[in-house]
Amino acid sequence: DTEVTQTPKHLVMGMTNKKSLKCEQHMGHRAMYWYKQKAKKPPELMFVYSYEKLSINESVPSRFSPECPNSSLLNLHLHALQPEDSALYLCASSYRGITEAFFGQGTRLTVV
Amino acid sequence: AQTVTQSQPEMSVQEAETVTLSCTYDTSENNYYLFWYKQPPSRQMILVIRQEAYKQQNATENRFSVNFQKAAKSFSLKISDSQLGDTAMYFCAFMKGVSQGGSEKLVFGKGTKLTVNP
Repeated sequence: DTEVTQTPKHLVMGMTNKKSLKCEQHMGHRAMYWYKQKAKKPPELMFVYSYEKLSINESVPSRFSPECPNSSLLNLHLHALQPEDSALYLCASSYRGITEAFFGQGTRLTVV
Repeated sequence: AQTVTQSQPEMSVQEAETVTLSCTYDTSENNYYLFWYKQPPSRQMILVIRQEAYKQQNATENRFSVNFQKAAKSFSLKISDSQLGDTAMYFCAFMKGVSQGGSEKLVFGKGTKLTVNP
């Protein structure tokens, strides 16, 4: 199983809503990542978890709150987002961060 | 800080022909990895090929091969016998080597949009 599964695939939320994005992998990878990708741009790193601990936070606003409940699961909690936060959110995982990252299909988020 | 430069925003190639995508990078690290990722309209980032900096031999994966020039900090991707399904955005990416269970981030270039024409 070389899959990273993200749910939901699409999400529309209002600026006062609270929602969560979910990412799951069963490859035994111990590094998991959240990336944000705007149209026609490369992915931008948001957070890295290594062994379920937050190891990199790229100065992301607090309205994005990551959580890693266990080694297979990564969540991104969203609250009070702005329209400019609309983007494709990609989850990825890798074996201890020293091999290639495997990406999920992403969640297309629209903030209205 | 590491930077990755892809100087070709868009390219096109006829089906069955060969195309080369360029990538240069800047780093002071000696231990690192380089990757080419493909992102078709379906939007999933798919690994095409990887290269470890300590390996002199160029990586190949079926129709995909790289020309890794470490001294010149160049990492180009050659696609042979191009197929319609190769149409996608291609990103070159750099990752610093990690020791002792740490984790590092991928640094991406801006991408090259490749169109394969029938």
